[in-house]
Amino acid sequence: GQNIDQPTEMTATEGAIVQINCTYQTSGFNGLFWYQQHAGEAPTFLSYNVLDGLEEKGRFSSFLSRSKGYSYLLLKELQMKDSASYLCAVRVLNAGNMLTFGGGTRLMVKP
Amino acid sequence: GAGVSQSPSNKVTEKGKDVELRCDPISGHTALYWYRQSLGQGLEFLIYFQGNSAPDKSGLPSDRFSAERTGGSVSTLTIQRTQQEDSAVYLCASSLAAASTYEQYFGPGTRLTVT
Repeated sequence: GQNIDQPTEMTATEGAIVQINCTYQTSGFNGLFWYQQHAGEAPTFLSYNVLDGLEEKGRFSSFLSRSKGYSYLLLKELQMKDSASYLCAVRVLNAGNMLTFGGGTRLMVKP
Repeated sequence: GAGVSQSPSNKVTEKGKDVELRCDPISGHTALYWYRQSLGQGLEFLIYFQGNSAPDKSGLPSDRFSAERTGGSVSTLTIQRTQQEDSAVYLCASSLAAASTYEQYFGPGTRLTVT
């Protein structure tokens, strides 16, 4: 099976930078996804990494190290609307491409 | 275009009753997934459909759970003889195909409460 760990909660200040880490243990790794989920809403796609390195998309960047089983999501210039849960999910080969999710990190942005 | 839609948005049922949850995927998406999210927990995979292939049911927690997908589009998740531990938000997602590069788009979910 897969084991995915991420911090349960984080707090950061508006305008700052925050890094949300995710570690995973899996065989047949086939990509890592980050989703954002506001309370009571559906998860929305943020980023996808399958190769090592950094993927940048506006204020959000995601990093992957396959050898270390490690990823992080970096949020810059934090805004109040970034308060949400951030879900790390791993896809494995030959598993129907379904995603295995971590428990999510609830980020609270304070003024 | 329209996103993934699910109905009902909320369902309250008595323990022991059967429930049906519906998912309408994005038009043209061949892959469809059902997940369950319990309060404060991550998403738990339930079942996956890809085109006309046999579904991957490996995540279904018990034989009380079943799902079908008619005509390669709409899907229905059925829970028989509901139990209180079935209370959760049931999320449906679809993707263009079951290829690794395609992201999954989620519906708003059905919040199921078993009393």
